[in-house]
Amino acid sequence: DTGVSQDPRHKITKRGQNVTFRCDPISEHNRLYWYRQTLGQGPEFLTYFQNEAQLEKSRLLSDRFSAERPKGSFSTLEIQRTEQGDSAMYLCASSLEGGINYGYTFGSGTRLTVV
Amino acid sequence: DQQVKQNSPSLSVQEGRISILNCDYTNSMFDYFLWYKKYPAEGPTFLISISSIKDKNEDGRFTVFLNKSAKHLSLHIVPSQPGDSAVYFCAAAYTNAGKSTFGDGTTLTVKP
Repeated sequence: DTGVSQDPRHKITKRGQNVTFRCDPISEHNRLYWYRQTLGQGPEFLTYFQNEAQLEKSRLLSDRFSAERPKGSFSTLEIQRTEQGDSAMYLCASSLEGGINYGYTFGSGTRLTVV
Repeated sequence: DQQVKQNSPSLSVQEGRISILNCDYTNSMFDYFLWYKKYPAEGPTFLISISSIKDKNEDGRFTVFLNKSAKHLSLHIVPSQPGDSAVYFCAAAYTNAGKSTFGDGTTLTVKP
């Protein structure tokens, strides 16, 4: 297994455009997480899935953000009508349910720049 | 309200010496604590964890200590190596919940 893959690595978009990111988790992992990180801060939780079910979504997440995990495999995160404040690193991670002591496996992230 | 705090943004130590990274938390319901290491242009990498029923967990050069009464944990790296230079994140979680809550990180620089 090649770990957690995220695509694209970098995305520059104009304000108001929609963007979509993809995450391919470790195949054996049934949990998938999306986090956002800005400079000088730690990863901030956005949402997570167990298999195909979205179990929790951050209250900080506006309705411009939506995530899916069809068939419990890869996941997509879409941001509609992007704003400059959306510029950040978007991190995907996966884990096994009940494997909290083994932590998450993170991907390398997608860096979004909104101009 | 930041539930996990790393009050030292940076730490510099000499190669071969001990590095001690600190983390405080406010929510007594957390029952798992984790440390991650992050190199530039990469995602965080899991390093070591500790359950709230323990006060120490060791893995090679890395030891995590937990003081529940003080709501404080620390990561000790002995001996420190230049390759340990990275950003270290402390995280806390509930056993049966999905998400982890992260601190803002401490940048460790190990000088040769």
